[in-house]
Amino acid sequence: DSGVTQTPKHLITATGQRVTLRCSPRSGDLSVYWYQQSLDQGLQFLIQYYNGEERAKGNILERFSAQQFPDLHSELNLSSLELGDSALYFCASSLHPGQGSGYTFGSGTRLTVV
Amino acid sequence: AQTVTQSQPEMSVQEAETVTLSCTYDTSESDYYLFWYKQPPSRQMILVIRQEAYKQQNATENRFSVNFQKAAKSFSLKISDSQLGDAAMYFCAYRSGGGGSNYKLTFGKGTLLTVNP
Repeated sequence: DSGVTQTPKHLITATGQRVTLRCSPRSGDLSVYWYQQSLDQGLQFLIQYYNGEERAKGNILERFSAQQFPDLHSELNLSSLELGDSALYFCASSLHPGQGSGYTFGSGTRLTVV
Repeated sequence: AQTVTQSQPEMSVQEAETVTLSCTYDTSESDYYLFWYKQPPSRQMILVIRQEAYKQQNATENRFSVNFQKAAKSFSLKISDSQLGDAAMYFCAYRSGGGGSNYKLTFGKGTLLTVNP
């Protein structure tokens, strides 16, 4: 157990729907990062939060949004889902942005859009 | 933008043997970090080893070691005494070490390592 908790582990939904993925960072970590892993795109950085504030954005679609709450957990919201959004979504955490010791990843949420 | 290239989509090794996975990267920065992550079938991303660009000495973690060639922008991973549990997808990753907020990890496409008994 890495200490980073992601729920749910699996999600199957239909096109056009909206889902919310949840991440609880490792105890004490203030930064949260979201990544998307797909067969064609590999691991892509989506967005980063630090202590409730957005710090950096990557290849995140406008249909996707995220936030980090005061208790430091984060949610990634995916709306108007398309078949191409099917992927493994990872959350990672670190104490501070850019912590040189590397980030701790959760076990991911497997999203299947049908 | 930084890029990370893993030229070996798949590698195989016999149990107890040594294998080296290749990684090259492209950057104009002088301060950065490099990582190797392992993703077994459980899909968990596990940090294997890290290297700080300003350190000349190659990092070592038990059976895992790196060959960091800064001028050549090369960062290979050597696994000694390979074990069945080493079978996984291995990802090389780059992270800027400078100021600002760009601390994302940039990953290569991965190398699938098979360990044969």
